[in-house]
Amino acid sequence: GENVEQHPSTLSVQEGDSAVIKCTYSDSASNYFPWYKQELGKGPQLIIDIRSNVGEKKDQRIAVTLNKTAKHFSLHITETQPEDSAVYFCAANSNSGGSNYKLTFGKGTLLTVNP
Amino acid sequence: GAGVSQTPSNKVTEKGKYVELRCDPISGHTALYWYRQSLGQGPEFLIYFQGTGAADDSGLPNDRFFAVRPEGSVSTLKIQRTERGDSAVYLCASGQPQETQYFGPGTRLLVL
Repeated sequence: GENVEQHPSTLSVQEGDSAVIKCTYSDSASNYFPWYKQELGKGPQLIIDIRSNVGEKKDQRIAVTLNKTAKHFSLHITETQPEDSAVYFCAANSNSGGSNYKLTFGKGTLLTVNP
Repeated sequence: GAGVSQTPSNKVTEKGKYVELRCDPISGHTALYWYRQSLGQGPEFLIYFQGTGAADDSGLPNDRFFAVRPEGSVSTLKIQRTERGDSAVYLCASGQPQETQYFGPGTRLLVL
């Protein structure tokens, strides 16, 4: 099955700096890669996703890049703000046997943005 | 609009007891998912419903776990003979097939 590795496990940046979180996946058939933000005591909230037919996607201060050859994808947050502080999870779908709905998540990155 | 809701938000039970966790998906979403999240980990897939039927229950850890969705909307995750290792946050998500999964706030289960 799919295996997703996420790094770093913790990341501390100064307000206004950029933050980058990287993930690798194992299943070359995966074709959908969402990123979720989870605040303490809440459920994961989708912030951006990318499908394998594009290499990059941007939404205001957030961007995701995908390298299918290397099987890795990254989240980039620019001009970080204290409210960006949360745990971020990457995920990849399992696309074997037509079952492309099952998401495998990384272990998460605790991002702290210091004012 | 209303998001995915889950009840109860917290559940404390004793080892060996039976518990039911409820999920109300976003109206109109035919796909419903249950995940389990242990402390410091990402969510782990349990089961997927397309309509009323469980299309994939490969993530259920053993036969103490069972889930239903009788009318294709609300779903209930049922855990029999609870064990301390079942303590976790149980997350429900809904969406359209092969589209974004929207998560609820979760039910925090503690088995004493």
